[in-house]
Amino acid sequence: EVQLVESGGGLVKPGGSLRLSCAASGFAFNTYGLKWVRQAPGKGLEWVSSISTGSSYIYYADSVKGRFTISRDNGKNSLYLQMNSLRTEDTAVYYCARGDGWWDVWGQGTTVTVSS
Amino acid sequence: DIQMTQSPSTLSASVGDRVIITCRASQNISIWLAWYQQKPGKAPKVLIYKASSLEGGVPSRFSGSGSGTEFTLTISSLQPDDFATYYCQQYNTYWTFGQGTKVEVK
Repeated sequence: EVQLVESGGGLVKPGGSLRLSCAASGFAFNTYGLKWVRQAPGKGLEWVSSISTGSSYIYYADSVKGRFTISRDNGKNSLYLQMNSLRTEDTAVYYCARGDGWWDVWGQGTTVTVSS
Repeated sequence: DIQMTQSPSTLSASVGDRVIITCRASQNISIWLAWYQQKPGKAPKVLIYKASSLEGGVPSRFSGSGSGTEFTLTISSLQPDDFATYYCQQYNTYWTFGQGTKVEVK
């Protein structure tokens, strides 16, 4: 079964750090671009970051640039998001998703809450 | 940045109704548009890609059309499972979503 499973979410204070992980299974991980997407409570979807198959092309939304770092380990079939200098407005469900243009496989999401 | 604007924000409909959701891009995105369905507490699911291509396994009552800056998602006969929120997404330049359209029971 093709699957993405996120982990690493939790409660963190403003200014703190968190590292999200996304474990993939059921497909050739190293042949797909991957994304992080988030959804604040009661709000719409926001693209956060993107990484190409070999990590050569990496992009960030302006809202997280300089604070978040995306990476992947093709040997471990895993995607990561290092989040530093967290703000209250980063509170959201974070999803990983597969695809370069449109995204055809999504994880179930992991919740990040930034609050004092 | 490319902005995506959906209308309406909320749509009240009954089972069997024909439903049309519109998405407008702030600049020409050719056919690089996808539509997603999201139910509460669940991840989004892709319905349509390249403006009009139906994702595998998606019922044929869903269809997409448009190019350039104007796009529509049509549900030909609304079913009980279709009450959800729908998002358009452009992937011409990075990725941007519309604000969503909630289809609710009339």
